[in-house]
Amino acid sequence: QSVLTQPPSVSGAPGQRVTISCTGSSSNIGAGYDVHWYQQLPGTAPKLLIYGNSNRPSGVPDRFSGSKSGTSASLAITGLRAEDEADYYCQSYDSSLSSSGVFGTGTKVTVL
Amino acid sequence: QVQLQESGPGLVKPSGTLSLTCGVSGGSISSSNYWSWVRQPPGKGLEWIGEIDHSGSTNYKPSLMGRITISVDKSKKQFSLRLTSVTAADTAVYYCARDPARSLGLDVWGQGTTVTVSS
Repeated sequence: QSVLTQPPSVSGAPGQRVTISCTGSSSNIGAGYDVHWYQQLPGTAPKLLIYGNSNRPSGVPDRFSGSKSGTSASLAITGLRAEDEADYYCQSYDSSLSSSGVFGTGTKVTVL
Repeated sequence: QVQLQESGPGLVKPSGTLSLTCGVSGGSISSSNYWSWVRQPPGKGLEWIGEIDHSGSTNYKPSLMGRITISVDKSKKQFSLRLTSVTAADTAVYYCARDPARSLGLDVWGQGTTVTVSS
């Protein structure tokens, strides 16, 4: 079981805004570790979407944004598009697990 | 531009040893990065399993300690995963990835390789 909890699924119509939460604890997100977000399209490797809580790698549309507060983080997608339908994972590190990496449980985004 | 490519047997017998290699091209394996392994069981989420840094220091998922070894061969520009005493629970797609720093995320991924544990 993962130490970072995400909603199993979120959905929205094209053009709408959706948010995905990533809930951790004082030993991971709350300990100051950065949160990263990945997008995984069906049958492909994950792709880095947001790094360092709120930064977008080159080439990632500004429709994607990230934030972090306390023991939680969030990913927002505005202007939802059909190609955004994918699985999304948050990732951080955990001091109670010898600073090993941890992924969130994953969220399936469906575009209605 | 750095590229990663996993290779290794696709089928391993129960109680056997899973061995995978990740080749690094387009960049230096000696630079200050963490080289990581992530796996994904069929129909399930991502699982971070371990990493090795440029100095050879390793960090493993605690529940895999005692079974997992990650090593690097700089001369061959590759790093490897070895997992012993495998069971069906180790069946997954295994990805290698690069982590430039804790604050930068896993920015380069291999395409993944499927490993099935079955007799």
